Amino acid sequence: DAGVIQSPRHEVTEMGQEVTLRCKPISGHNSLFWYRQTMMRGLELLIYFNNNVPIDDSGMPEDRFSAKMPNASFSTLKIQPSEPRDSAVYFCASSLNMDRAEYSNQPQHFGDGTRLSIL
Amino acid sequence: AQKITQTQPGMFVQEKEAVTLDCTYDTSDQSYGLFWYKQPSSGEMIFLIYQGSYDEQNATEGRYSLNFQKARKSANLVISASQLGDSAMYFCAMRELRDTGRRALTFGSGTRLQVQP
Repeated sequence: DAGVIQSPRHEVTEMGQEVTLRCKPISGHNSLFWYRQTMMRGLELLIYFNNNVPIDDSGMPEDRFSAKMPNASFSTLKIQPSEPRDSAVYFCASSLNMDRAEYSNQPQHFGDGTRLSIL
Repeated sequence: AQKITQTQPGMFVQEKEAVTLDCTYDTSDQSYGLFWYKQPSSGEMIFLIYQGSYDEQNATEGRYSLNFQKARKSANLVISASQLGDSAMYFCAMRELRDTGRRALTFGSGTRLQVQP
């Protein structure tokens, strides 16, 4: 079975450029999560979708960050304009529908992450 | 306040010995789940084990077991018979279930485990 697929695996770009990270969740998973991992702040939630609808975006740092989920099999995280402090590993994760109590014990399955470096 | 606390930034263990990685959590929910993930140096996040707040038995999964002490709000991971391949970062995480808007995982800061031959 295909896991969560993220692209690109690595991205190096200059400050001010637009960055788009992509994620394909596991088929049948209704919940999708974007996390960011840095040495200073660890793993932190950016945004969480359920059935393609954003449920919690309180972790999105600022207006430069936006995320979309146009359909059940695709999500993007966009940073515009990018800044050096955005350098991090960005993970996408998916799981069965987190709104359903019977799935509360289901783990989130993570993609391999995108290592982003903003120069 | 930290919701998940992992007080051991780094741990060493001899190969074939058991090791316990500590995790304490803070929640006012009665219903919640606790997860442990492993992150090897290659960077991927690997799910290891789950414990529900209403589970009466400690969770076990192969060489992994969870020492769940609900009253103390601790969920320590025990790895038995350590192997060199167990060297990695280990993260404890919690999912609170009262509010559907809070179903994402909250992670601790992690413990780096090094298994020595």
